[in-house]
Amino acid sequence: DVKVTQSSRYLVKRTGEKVFLECVQDMDHENMFWYRQDPGLGLRLIYFSYDVKMKEKGDIPEGYSVSREKKERFSLILESASTNQTSMYLCASTPGGGGGYTFGSGTRLTVV
Amino acid sequence: TQLLEQSPQFLSIQEGENLTVYCNSSSVFSSLQWYRQEPGEGPVLLVTVVTGGEVKKLKRLTFQFGDARKDSSLHITAAQTGDTGLYLCAQADRGSTLGRLYFGRGTQLTVWP
Repeated sequence: DVKVTQSSRYLVKRTGEKVFLECVQDMDHENMFWYRQDPGLGLRLIYFSYDVKMKEKGDIPEGYSVSREKKERFSLILESASTNQTSMYLCASTPGGGGGYTFGSGTRLTVV
Repeated sequence: TQLLEQSPQFLSIQEGENLTVYCNSSSVFSSLQWYRQEPGEGPVLLVTVVTGGEVKKLKRLTFQFGDARKDSSLHITAAQTGDTGLYLCAQADRGSTLGRLYFGRGTQLTVWP
């Protein structure tokens, strides 16, 4: 069964910490995405990547960066966590040329 | 920016009832996808519709794509408690091969026993 795995289901971090969220897919997909999901706001795209070492900003990239050193792994980095980054973070992947997303189970991040 | 509006935002019904949720776009779809998200999990793809007027069935779920490819609906017959979840529609970025989707804000469905 194809999978997108996010390293943590729940995280609690302190304001100002550097936070790494990891996502790994086993489907050899070219495209990978990071979204955050907040009540009433839906899914908002933070960053996406269409190839190793390639990245594109989404709609809300401020305060975030990403890394894609290997095709199967896409990391989201919160450079200095703030309370307004408390959210559910979802990683997804899709083959080149588009198609349906396969999502991970999400990481619920709380910044205190 | 491609804008997707979903309605209703919330829906609460009894088991056995029928329901329809809607997805409307400000622009013509190239393709549309429907997802269901259960609490604490990521969304799961239900169906992709591509052709205007297309109807797809998945057990008790019927998905319809408008002729003008600007709207879609999801009809559930005889809802069950297991249908509870957030239903999301998503539209592909036209002209892009990068696979980016634009999501609506979803319909939160609760089915009571």
